[in-house]
Amino acid sequence: DSGVTQTPKHLITATGQRVTLRCSPRSGDLSVYWYQQSLDQGLQFLIQYYNGEERAKGNILERFSAQQFPDLHSELNLSSLELGDSALYFCASSVAGGAQGYTFGSGTRLTVV
Amino acid sequence: AQRVTQPEKLLSVFKGAPVELKCNYSYSGSPELFWYVQYSRQRLQLLLRHISRESIKGFTADLNKGETSFHLKKPFAQEEDSAMYYCALSRGSSNTGKLIFGQGTTLQVKP
Repeated sequence: DSGVTQTPKHLITATGQRVTLRCSPRSGDLSVYWYQQSLDQGLQFLIQYYNGEERAKGNILERFSAQQFPDLHSELNLSSLELGDSALYFCASSVAGGAQGYTFGSGTRLTVV
Repeated sequence: AQRVTQPEKLLSVFKGAPVELKCNYSYSGSPELFWYVQYSRQRLQLLLRHISRESIKGFTADLNKGETSFHLKKPFAQEEDSAMYYCALSRGSSNTGKLIFGQGTTLQVKP
């Protein structure tokens, strides 16, 4: 167990639907990062939160949003889902910045049918 | 712009052979560099970071600032080393902490 918990592990949903992925960071870590891993795009950085505030944004679609709550857990909301959104979504956490590396969760495998 | 390049999508070697997974980066400042390993689409695990200069599971990596490279090496590959390997870069002490990953190299160690 890495200490970063992601739920659910698997999610199958239809196009046009909305889902929420949840991440609990490792104890003591203030930063949460979301990445999308697909077969053709590799690991794509989506967004980072630090202590409740958005800190950096990557290739995140407007249909996607995220937030970090006071207890530091984070949620990634994906709406108007398309077949191409099928991917592994990873959450990672770090103490502050990522200079010491991240700890990754096990990921949520999203399948859009 | 910062970029990490892993030129090989797949590297296939026989057990006991030396392994070198290539990683080149572009960044004008002083980066922090990492290698992550992913077994069978499971979670990514930190393998090495250049600042600690450690050897994990027999792997080493040296930062070559002149060649902007951070190649991962192991003298004798084992079958259990078969996995996806990602090189990643962090912008030093930047407080965003965003890691930029290469496209990954699949290492296949054949018996």
